Amino acid sequence: DAGITQSPRYKITETGRQVTLMCHQTWSHSYMFWYRQDLGHGLRLIYYSAAADITDKGEVPDGYVVSRSKTENFPLTLESATRSQTSVYFCASSGAVTYEQYFGPGTRLTVT
Amino acid sequence: QKEVEQDPGPLSVPEGAIVSLNCTYSNSAFQYFMWYRQYSRKGPELLMYTYSSGNKEDGRFTAQVDKSSKYISLFIRDSQPSDSATYLCASPLGDEKLTFGTGTRLTIIP
Repeated sequence: DAGITQSPRYKITETGRQVTLMCHQTWSHSYMFWYRQDLGHGLRLIYYSAAADITDKGEVPDGYVVSRSKTENFPLTLESATRSQTSVYFCASSGAVTYEQYFGPGTRLTVT
Repeated sequence: QKEVEQDPGPLSVPEGAIVSLNCTYSNSAFQYFMWYRQYSRKGPELLMYTYSSGNKEDGRFTAQVDKSSKYISLFIRDSQPSDSATYLCASPLGDEKLTFGTGTRLTIIP
């Protein structure tokens, strides 16, 4: 499928478990981003990547790990999930032309 | 303090009304302003962008920037039920990053 996809779309996990959220884009965009969206906070940047093997922290990186070995994939791992990480997670990509970011459909994560 | 502030609403208006959505920003270096629309349980999508000051019109939508007051507005004319969504303003932070407002939830009542 063309575009940007996220998996899983819904996930329930327990406190302390490791969880990986997947993001895949087919445009060969150089930039990719992970956000979380919570009521009252809006979209907050967790991590971003300017290219394969280049990643950097955003506003709320604690508790999260990213990697980008291939341009098209940008997985986000919660090493030891906590209830405060219950949120909707969005992946986005950008071709670095007009600042426009293209968002995936989101992953709704619940940590019990 | 967030760099882009937005009234979260919710805002409900009757179909056909003119809608005004607003944001303020704190960084006078911001030059590029964007409006994203997010339908329920979907990812945001770019609706409009403007550069520097002035107005930009696209169909029923008009984006306006007033740099003297650091105010960003989105006007929707002849509002339709399909316009019901959350609208987020955003501005680039550099290195392709964006800073977003918290979003205003809009409902158009048929």
